[in-house]
Amino acid sequence: TQLLEQSPQFLSIQEGENLTVYCNSSSVFSSLQWYRQEPGEGPVLLVTVVTGGEVKKLKRLTFQFGDARKDSSLHITAAQPGDTGLYLCAGVRDYKLSFGAGTTVTVRA
Amino acid sequence: DADVTQTPRNRITKTGKRIMLECSQTKGHDRMYWYRQDPGLGLRLIYYSFDVKDINKGEISDGYSVSRQAQAKFSLSLESAIPNQTALYFCATSGQSYNEQFFGPGTRLTVL
Repeated sequence: TQLLEQSPQFLSIQEGENLTVYCNSSSVFSSLQWYRQEPGEGPVLLVTVVTGGEVKKLKRLTFQFGDARKDSSLHITAAQPGDTGLYLCAGVRDYKLSFGAGTTVTVRA
Repeated sequence: DADVTQTPRNRITKTGKRIMLECSQTKGHDRMYWYRQDPGLGLRLIYYSFDVKDINKGEISDGYSVSRQAQAKFSLSLESAIPNQTALYFCATSGQSYNEQFFGPGTRLTVL
């Protein structure tokens, strides 16, 4: 059983459209991280959110941590083909990470 | 140069063989981790180590063992490989800041 549920599992959109990926859990985390992984490579950290209700922006990417620190979302504005990849959320508890299954995002040119 | 390196990058082996995957890092981190990645399941923690004398089981440690030879080196062994251990294996390191993970490039292991 996955501690963190990500949705949707797959997302295919046209360049210029917006998208949102969700990461939900019934557990509370001390912090939550988002990673992006490209084929043949390891995941790369995008952001860490720590405080309930926190919003962080990274260029066209906006990350939000739920008020209760149980869920998070990733919003991409005006997606580009370079945003294509597997997006993983990971919750931190007791110095260990629990990962969601990931959302595969494909942005068509 | 890569901060976290893994060898080999690809390995095909047969059921029952002993396999060792190696990980080295130049980030100076004390914490090191081994994960496996399967389609639709994300990354699952196999073992982790917070310093040279510290070894801890993760959620799926059965059938695996590890050795922390030095601060920079953490190896994963499959004592007797079986087909359902076919997966992508990642080594990662972290500092003490929110346990942010830095991953190696992965090893694709196939057990026939």
